[in-house]
Amino acid sequence: AQKVTQAQTEISVVEKEDVTLDCVYETRDTTYYLFWYKQPPSGELVFLIRRNSFDEQNEISGRYSWNFQKSTSSFNFTITASQVVDSAVYFCALSEANTDKLIFGTGTRLQVFP
Amino acid sequence: NAGVTQTPKFQVLKTGQSMTLQCAQDMNHEYMSWYRQDPGMGLRLIHYSVGAGITDQGEVPNGYNVSRSTTEDFPLRLLSAAPSQTSVYFCASSYLLPGGAGEQFFGPGTRLTVL
Repeated sequence: AQKVTQAQTEISVVEKEDVTLDCVYETRDTTYYLFWYKQPPSGELVFLIRRNSFDEQNEISGRYSWNFQKSTSSFNFTITASQVVDSAVYFCALSEANTDKLIFGTGTRLQVFP
Repeated sequence: NAGVTQTPKFQVLKTGQSMTLQCAQDMNHEYMSWYRQDPGMGLRLIHYSVGAGITDQGEVPNGYNVSRSTTEDFPLRLLSAAPSQTSVYFCASSYLLPGGAGEQFFGPGTRLTVL
């Protein structure tokens, strides 16, 4: 069965600190997709990244980076030099091939204090 | 483009009442879906559709109905509201890509309270 675990319920950091949000997934499929979404206090869901299971290259987008390791079934998200605007709930999600159904983790609430 | 729109933004119902949550998208996406978000549980899939006339159940379909008569609209109906259906409801849409799992665009959500 598919499952996504975000063990960190809440993380608090001070501005400019680096922070890593963990995501561990379970699936029996060899082809699957992983996602990260951001939910700021305003409530909308903002797409951050989509990664397929065959692409293990790490990705960097500005202050954001993602580390995908199939060996440990993890897809961790790092924010470098965090800012107050990064305060949000972050969701990791999994979708198996040939389906658009997303399985979400329970989310990690990140609070960045000035 | 308006993207994915949802109405209403807030709704209070009494137990046993019925209502329809509206969802529309103007991106010509084939795939549409409904999720509910509850504290500590992330988002869970209620129903989804891969095109007009085609719907299927997700993880938590009980108490909800859907239909898809057009590409643009995907309403969610609560047949007889229960307090357990108090939640925030999100509609999402995406293109159907070969191999699946395209980027899903989410609406702003509907906050529903059932008394």
